[in-house]
Amino acid sequence: EAQVTQNPRYLITVTGKKLTVTCSQNMNHEYMSWYRQDPGLGLRQIYYSMNVEVTDKGDVPEGYKVSRKEKRNFPLILESPSPNQTSLYFCASSPTEAASGANVLTFGAGSRLTVL
Amino acid sequence: AQKVTQAQTEISVVEKEDVTLDCVYETRDTTYYLFWYKQPPSGELVFLIRRNSFDEQNEISGRYSWNFQKSTSSFNFTITASQVVDSAVYFCALSDALIQGAQKLVFGQGTRLTINP
Repeated sequence: EAQVTQNPRYLITVTGKKLTVTCSQNMNHEYMSWYRQDPGLGLRQIYYSMNVEVTDKGDVPEGYKVSRKEKRNFPLILESPSPNQTSLYFCASSPTEAASGANVLTFGAGSRLTVL
Repeated sequence: AQKVTQAQTEISVVEKEDVTLDCVYETRDTTYYLFWYKQPPSGELVFLIRRNSFDEQNEISGRYSWNFQKSTSSFNFTITASQVVDSAVYFCALSDALIQGAQKLVFGQGTRLTINP
């Protein structure tokens, strides 16, 4: 089944304790992205990656890091989490078919993170 | 800058009523794409539709229909004869085509739709 898999789905942690949310897709998509969802704000992009070793900031990158060493994986790293990073996080992927224009993002199931 | 506004934070209707979710967007691009996603109580995001800026034809898919009007920068979503299973948060989103082949989606705030039996 074509899918984007995120782990963990739920996590409660404390301020300053480094954590990584993994994201893996099995569709051979070039493009991957992380979003966070907060009440009243919709989804906002954190980082994105056009392909292996190519990453760039989205709208709210502060406090986050990413890496793209393999095409299928795009982990989100919180080096020193703070309470304002409590949120619902989504990983997404899509192909980059220039001729077809915009591509439909396939989203993971979401990871709910609470930072105390 | 791109922006998507879903002014209706919450809507509650009785089953079988028709309901329209509003979406107004802002962009300076002439080529852009509009989307609707559904987020049921289980939390995942489900793609519903994609529309490009050159195609203003309305679309119907079963009980769902979409009205795209460039003149008013709106892309409204109507559910006809609503059902309890339609209860969800619905997001409208916009992307440009500046980065060829891969676009950032800018999302609206979402509209929480509750269908009561």
